[in-house]
Amino acid sequence: AQSVSQHNHHVILSEAASLELGCNYSYGGTVNLFWYVQYPGQHLQLLLKYFSGDPLVKGIKGFEAEFIKSKFSFNLRKPSVQWSDTAEYFCAVIPIKAAGNKLTFGGGTRVLVKP
Amino acid sequence: DAGVTQSPTHLIKTRGQQVTLRCSPKSGHDTVSWYQQALGQGPQFIFQYYEEEERQRGNFPDRFSGHQFPNYSSELNVNALLLGDSALYLCASSLRSGTGNSNQPQHFGDGTRLSIL
Repeated sequence: AQSVSQHNHHVILSEAASLELGCNYSYGGTVNLFWYVQYPGQHLQLLLKYFSGDPLVKGIKGFEAEFIKSKFSFNLRKPSVQWSDTAEYFCAVIPIKAAGNKLTFGGGTRVLVKP
Repeated sequence: DAGVTQSPTHLIKTRGQQVTLRCSPKSGHDTVSWYQQALGQGPQFIFQYYEEEERQRGNFPDRFSGHQFPNYSSELNVNALLLGDSALYLCASSLRSGTGNSNQPQHFGDGTRLSIL
């Protein structure tokens, strides 16, 4: 069964700092990759997704992620964070040959941005 | 455009009881998935419903069951509640397209926080 690992459980940084969150998955086949964000008191929202093509994908709110197939990784980045980026971030995968679109999530990374 | 709505928002039950959680999908969506999110963990897939049938199931016991109605809304039922069932239960909806819908993004509701005493 596939699994998703997020390396950091908690990240604390100051405004304007750069953010990179690691995500690795274990699945031998082709996958669709997602990053979701959960702001305090809100529902999970899709930040960005990768299906195929350019491995560098751009999402909402200045986030981007890079798919490195050889490393089974899909790391999330933002060059300069804001206080409003305080949230929990989840990486998720769906095997491309899956019959449905069941998401397998990582454990999440809580990000706290200090003003 | 209504998003995914779940009810109730909070629920407190005792061990051994039964609970029913409800979900209305985003307008235009026909597929509903349920996830369990324990404190400090990522969501875990319970099952998915399409055309009123369970199509996929995660690693959850038979105490967890569900239903989808003709209007695409869905219920999650949990019997014989255990302390370990305390979690945030998330509903997600999407549009199924053809035989491979793995690229259809899922839209999540706010969840139902279930506490077992």
